[in-house]
Amino acid sequence: GAGVSQSPSNKVTEKGKDVELRCDPISGHTALYWYRQSLGQGLEFLIYFQGNSAPDKSGLPSDRFSAERTGGSVSTLTIQRTQQEDSAVYLCASSMAGVYSYEQYFGPGTRLTVT
Amino acid sequence: RKEVEQDPGPFNVPEGATVAFNCTYSNSASQSFFWYRQDCRKEPKLLMSVYSSGNEDGRFTAQLNRASQYISLLIRDSKLSDSATYLCVVSSNSNSGYALNFGKGTSLLVTP
Repeated sequence: GAGVSQSPSNKVTEKGKDVELRCDPISGHTALYWYRQSLGQGLEFLIYFQGNSAPDKSGLPSDRFSAERTGGSVSTLTIQRTQQEDSAVYLCASSMAGVYSYEQYFGPGTRLTVT
Repeated sequence: RKEVEQDPGPFNVPEGATVAFNCTYSNSASQSFFWYRQDCRKEPKLLMSVYSSGNEDGRFTAQLNRASQYISLLIRDSKLSDSATYLCVVSSNSNSGYALNFGKGTSLLVTP
């Protein structure tokens, strides 16, 4: 079956511009997670959705970052007024949620470069 | 202090060797434990979950010691295709769902 997909795969933007990253989770997966991986760093949790709601936004690095999820499916991560330190690979993962079904499956990521 | 710590390596081993990776975690409330594998410029992929009783999947054996907050991964009969970064991952149920906490990874290079 289809896995998690993300678009675009690569994005180069100028400092100060806004960007929007998209994630299509595996069909039927109710939980969706955004992470980012900066060069030489481990993966960092950003935000979690259960259905369309995001109980915890504390992982977002600043108020320039926001995310939404509609219809319990597609999610978008928006970064406003991008800065060079936002350059990273942004990864989306989805899972069935529930006690024993929380294995997360990752999309291929969006590589963001802010120049 | 980082929540999940791993030796970054690199571990350079010949084909056929046995290699072990270790990981420690700081949150005693962690409930779920995994090893993920990440190839260069690719997304992480689940290698195996780690259970308290220890578990084995082919050439891979994972162990969990909750008292010491320590996780291990043993790879026997290493293959060239095992070359990758191995990520130790822990999770607990919180307001962040089952958000994963990743170690920075241990790099493995298997040579002919």
